[in-house]
Amino acid sequence: DTGVSQNPRHKITKRGQNVTFRCDPISEHNRLYWYRQTLGQGPEFLTYFQNEAQLEKSRLLSDRFSAERPKGSFSTLEIQRTEQGDSAMYLCASSLGGLAGAWEFFGPGTRLTVL
Amino acid sequence: AQSVTQLDSHVSVSEGTPVLLRCNYSSSYSPSLFWYVQHPNKGLQLLLKYTSAATLVKGINGFEAEFKKSETSFHLTKPSAHMSDAAEYFCVVSAYNNNDMRFGAGTRLTVKP
Repeated sequence: DTGVSQNPRHKITKRGQNVTFRCDPISEHNRLYWYRQTLGQGPEFLTYFQNEAQLEKSRLLSDRFSAERPKGSFSTLEIQRTEQGDSAMYLCASSLGGLAGAWEFFGPGTRLTVL
Repeated sequence: AQSVTQLDSHVSVSEGTPVLLRCNYSSSYSPSLFWYVQHPNKGLQLLLKYTSAATLVKGINGFEAEFKKSETSFHLTKPSAHMSDAAEYFCVVSAYNNNDMRFGAGTRLTVKP
């Protein structure tokens, strides 16, 4: 499969625990994005990477959230001390950056439930 | 800053009848516009995109959209709905070469037999 993959697909955790999600982008894509989607809403931008550099972060990304892309390939998104409000679908997307009209390919998402 | 407004949160059509999903955009720059579809438990799939070329854009599965600058609209249409079209549809705007893609709230399309 040459699409964007995300693991795990579902995560249930107790409030206060830490969770980590992984995203594997399409191999030749240099840009990687994280979005959050809550029920009944469209995805909201969280952050993006150009290769290994994190170039932009939304104000939605509190200090409990950290994202990395250490080798410019896969990325991880960690949430520390989870809260019930963190329950959402976390989407990853990748694209070829720098091209007019470049668009993003999305993964299936990781659904997080915080009890 | 850019944003999109999807004018209908829910659209219901009968199989074989036309589909119209409405989207208005706001952008300070020449926008790129997209429609994505999301089926239950599936990832977002790009239907089509507009990037300042032809104003009538044809996408996958028989969908098309027309960019109308004077009306700041990018409505999605399909001549004949199929049961498999039932899904959530998102209109998205991005400024040229900008990484900040803004999604609309979505329109849920229901197709009745």
